[in-house]
This record gives sequence, structure tokens and C-alpha cells, in this order.
Amino acid sequence: QSVLTQPPSASGTPGQRVSISCSGSSSNIGNKIVNWYQQLPGTAPKLLIYSYNQRPSGVPDRFSGSKSGTSASLAISGLQSEDEADYYCATWDDSLNGPVFGGGTKVTVL
Amino acid sequence: QVQLVQSGAEVKKPGASVKVSCKASGYTFTSYALYWVRQAPGQRLEWMGWINAGNGNTKYSQKFQGRVTITRDTPASTAYMELSSLRFEDTAVYYCARASILDYWGQGALVTVSS
Repeated sequence: QSVLTQPPSASGTPGQRVSISCSGSSSNIGNKIVNWYQQLPGTAPKLLIYSYNQRPSGVPDRFSGSKSGTSASLAISGLQSEDEADYYCATWDDSLNGPVFGGGTKVTVL
Repeated sequence: QVQLVQSGAEVKKPGASVKVSCKASGYTFTSYALYWVRQAPGQRLEWMGWINAGNGNTKYSQKFQGRVTITRDTPASTAYMELSSLRFEDTAVYYCARASILDYWGQGALVTVSS
């Protein structure tokens, strides 16, 4: 089973920019789209970014996604206290015929 | 608006089965697949399987093959996930989510396996 690797934690002060990486391989991120999910404490995940850099309606443009080779990144600019959450990357895995998730990154606003 | 409402928390003994429901509203039920994802304490999200709500076709993760069954009741716009032969390590929150991009999620159902 392929695995997506994320740093376990990231932090910043209000107003700063925080970036979260998601490392995969040529069999997943390398040729598949990447989505990002935000999970606030005690709640279900919420789609934050899809198809690398598209935001669903209602998601602030402070959140942006990108991809380079077999890695993807989520950036949060103008960090706010309500951004404290866990963030997960995900992509489709052909061998599973289903989605595979990163381990999650906990973002703390200092 | 799109909503996925799941059944409530369950406590089960090892070896038992659990069935979690996911009622959809706000969209045409048969137009989207429904995915089941679980989150054990301190673990990453883990895909279990999905059902094409239109024709009922299913696909299961190899990890759960033989233990998981996903079904749907089209008139009720509801999907079900049944997990059998429960083990302590199946204690987790079980989510349903819509379509392959998982654009809408249910609120989750906590399943606790305890003797």
C-alpha cells in the first residue's frame, strides 16, 4: 500500500504563512490529482482544496495548493486562530482502487 | 444543501458485527458514489470501500475484504456499511463521504469494540 508522508506538525503566529508538504511517489501524486482536507477538533474532515489548487465554494483564498513532481503542498497565508486543525492530503491509488491519505499535519497558531 | 447524516455511536463485543447507516439528502442519491473511511485513535484516515449508488457496484479495500459489506437502499437514499468479526483495533470513527473527491462527509459514527 502506497503511503503519503506529511510532517506531523507545523506552527506559526497570526498573519504568518505556513506550508505543509505531502510526499508521494510516481504511482500516486506523480500522475494523480491531490486533494486536501481540514479537520477541526472533534469534527469530520472537510474538503479544502481539490485537483491540486481548486477551492470549494466558501473556502477562503488564504488556502492554496500546488504540486511539483511527486510532492504536493498546502499553503495557508495570513494564518488565523481558526485555522488550528489537522490537515490531510489524499490522492487516488490505482493498486487500491481507492483513495489513500497522508498521516495528517497538526497546525498550531502560536 | 448536501447532507450526509450517519447513525449513532455503537459499542460492540469482539467477534460481533456493526452496521452503520448514512442518509443522503440535497442531491440525487444515485448520481454519486459513497465512500466509507475510518479514523482510529491517533491513526490516519483509512479508506474501506465504496458503492456506486446508481447500480450498487462495490469495491472494497483489500485490508477489509471479506469483513466489510456496503449496501444501499435507493428509495431511502441511504447507504450502509457493515463490518463483521470485530476486533479491538476496529475501534474508530467511521465516516461516509460523497464521490471520489470526498466533497461532503457525514458527521461520523464512533464504534467502540470492548469486552
